[in-house]
Amino acid sequence: GENVEQHPSTLSVQEGDSAVIKCTYSDSASNYFPWYKQELGKGPQLIIDIRSNVGEKKDQRIAVTLNKTAKHFSLHITETQPEDSAVYFCAASLNSGGSNYKLTFGKGTLLTVNP
Amino acid sequence: ETGVTQSPTHLIKTRGQQVTLRCSSQSGHNTVSWYQQALGQGPQFIFQYYREEENGRGNFPPRFSGLQFPNYSSELNVNALELDDSALYLCASSRNNEKAFFGQGTRLTVV
Repeated sequence: GENVEQHPSTLSVQEGDSAVIKCTYSDSASNYFPWYKQELGKGPQLIIDIRSNVGEKKDQRIAVTLNKTAKHFSLHITETQPEDSAVYFCAASLNSGGSNYKLTFGKGTLLTVNP
Repeated sequence: ETGVTQSPTHLIKTRGQQVTLRCSSQSGHNTVSWYQQALGQGPQFIFQYYREEENGRGNFPPRFSGLQFPNYSSELNVNALELDDSALYLCASSRNNEKAFFGQGTRLTVV
């Protein structure tokens, strides 16, 4: 089955700096890669996602890149703010119409943005 | 905030007991998935329900079971609770296997 590795496990940056979180996946058939932000005591919140037919996607200060050949994908947050502090999870799945939509998650990255 | 709601938010049970967790999916969504999140870990897929039928299952024993109702809400049942079942249980809803939106979770503690 799919295996997702996520690095680093913790990341501390100064406010205004950029943060990058990297993930690798094992199943070359995976074609959907969402990123979730989880604040303390809350459920994961979908912040951005990318499909395998696209190499990069951007939404304001957040961007995701995908390298299908290397089976890598990364989350980039620019101009970080204290409210970006949270645990971030990457995930991968094979999304094919009505087939099983099982998300396999990485272990998470605790991002701390220092004022 | 998503439109996915879970109840209860917290629950304490004794080893060997049974528990039922509930999830109301977001309006317009027909698919519900359940995940178990242990402390400090990513969510682990338990199973998914699509149009009231199980549509895939993760590596969890049969004492984990579920239901989906005609209004697409769902229940997760766990029998013969073990200490290791203590975790945050998350429900995610989607429409036709598109983007999955999570509820706030139910924190289950087994003592």
